[in-house]
Amino acid sequence: EVQLLESGGGLVQPGGSLRLSCTASGFTFSSYAMSWVRQAPGKGLEWVSTINENDGTTSYAHSVRGRFTISRDNSKNTLYLQMNSLRAEDTAIYFCARRTAFEYWGQGSLVTVSS
Amino acid sequence: DIQMTQSPSSLSASVGDRVTITCRASQDINIYLAWFQQRPGKAPKPLIYRASNLHSGVPSKFGGSGSGTDFTLTISDLQPEDFATYYCQQYNSYPLTFGGGTRVEIK
Repeated sequence: EVQLLESGGGLVQPGGSLRLSCTASGFTFSSYAMSWVRQAPGKGLEWVSTINENDGTTSYAHSVRGRFTISRDNSKNTLYLQMNSLRAEDTAIYFCARRTAFEYWGQGSLVTVSS
Repeated sequence: DIQMTQSPSSLSASVGDRVTITCRASQDINIYLAWFQQRPGKAPKPLIYRASNLHSGVPSKFGGSGSGTDFTLTISDLQPEDFATYYCQQYNSYPLTFGGGTRVEIK
């Protein structure tokens, strides 16, 4: 059974940093691209970033480029999202998802940016 | 960037009804279109990929069609558990984009 489990969310002040993790199981993690998607309170879904399975090529939404960094450790079956220079508008539930068609999702991790 | 426009943004329907949600892309996305169902407080649930393919375990009451720029999601025989918000999403090119969502409510 495919499982994705996010962790690392919490309350952070504006301008601060946070690193999210997503631990995968039930499939060959190194064979799949992985993504982050977020959802602000009461709002719709927004793609954040994707990392390829092969060469680690990364893609980012305009809203986070230059502030967020996606990475992966295939030896640990873990996906990461390093978030720097956080803003109030980054407040959201962050989901990790498999591939770019988001065929499996984690349960999400809440990030709150507030002073 | 490819804009995804869903309509309607909300609809009211009764148990047993058949409803159709449309999704229009601002440019050709071939068949790289997915649909998701999201219930309050839950992660989105994948329903359809490549415009018309049901994910494993998704009942055949859900149907998807379309290609290019115009797509539809049809839900037959609405049941209480189907009342939720539905999103379309294109994965033809970056940045990946979602539609604004369609909330299906009980009449």
